[in-house]
Amino acid sequence: QSALTQPASVSGSPGQSITISCTGTSSDVGGYDYVSWYQQRPGKAPRLLIYDVSHRPSGVSNRFSGSKSGNTASLTISGLQTEDEADYYCLSYTTFSALYVFGTGTKVTVL
Amino acid sequence: EVQLVESGGGLVRPGGSLRLSCVASGLTFSDAWLIWVRQAPGKGLEWVGHIRKKTDGGTADYAASVKGRFTISRDDSNNTLYLQMKSLKTEDTGVYYCSFPGGDDDSWGQGTLVTVSS
Repeated sequence: QSALTQPASVSGSPGQSITISCTGTSSDVGGYDYVSWYQQRPGKAPRLLIYDVSHRPSGVSNRFSGSKSGNTASLTISGLQTEDEADYYCLSYTTFSALYVFGTGTKVTVL
Repeated sequence: EVQLVESGGGLVRPGGSLRLSCVASGLTFSDAWLIWVRQAPGKGLEWVGHIRKKTDGGTADYAASVKGRFTISRDDSNNTLYLQMKSLKTEDTGVYYCSFPGGDDDSWGQGTLVTVSS
């Protein structure tokens, strides 16, 4: 099972909005509403931002939002802040043996 | 608050074995599906496998890269999750995280480093 495809890097200025894509197939992203997004800062464990495509855990800023269209899921960060600099990963249920697969990861830089 | 603490990492030679532990608190452990995720140095996250709660069969599923070599188990009486790793390869080197995928209670351990090298 190959990793889901994410852009290697995305950047934006403070206050702007950016969107990170996560592209899979009908066997994973497109077939199920089980897509999650994680933020990982250097040397730290991942932190859940979004689950089940668009649900935000309590305590996560409403600047983070998730959506899905076809085989592509997206994470949007609005009102970009310097603290948003991190790596971001999507995760999806898949019909293949692992049952779950991560995206390739996206490094977000705040200019 | 859910807390997960991994241990058992270290240096092991190729072909060797290692068992990781993850002690959980702050959740009803026996009701939880639990997962292991790893991250090679400078690389992305990789789903290693997960184990269901006993009432869902208590069985585990694994990534193709570790199937047949790794075994996930649980001790509900001691709130402990295990990852038994055998026939280790250099590409198994990385930080191993246990996690409770619980939506609002989603939690991760701090990770334990496994280094496979001769």
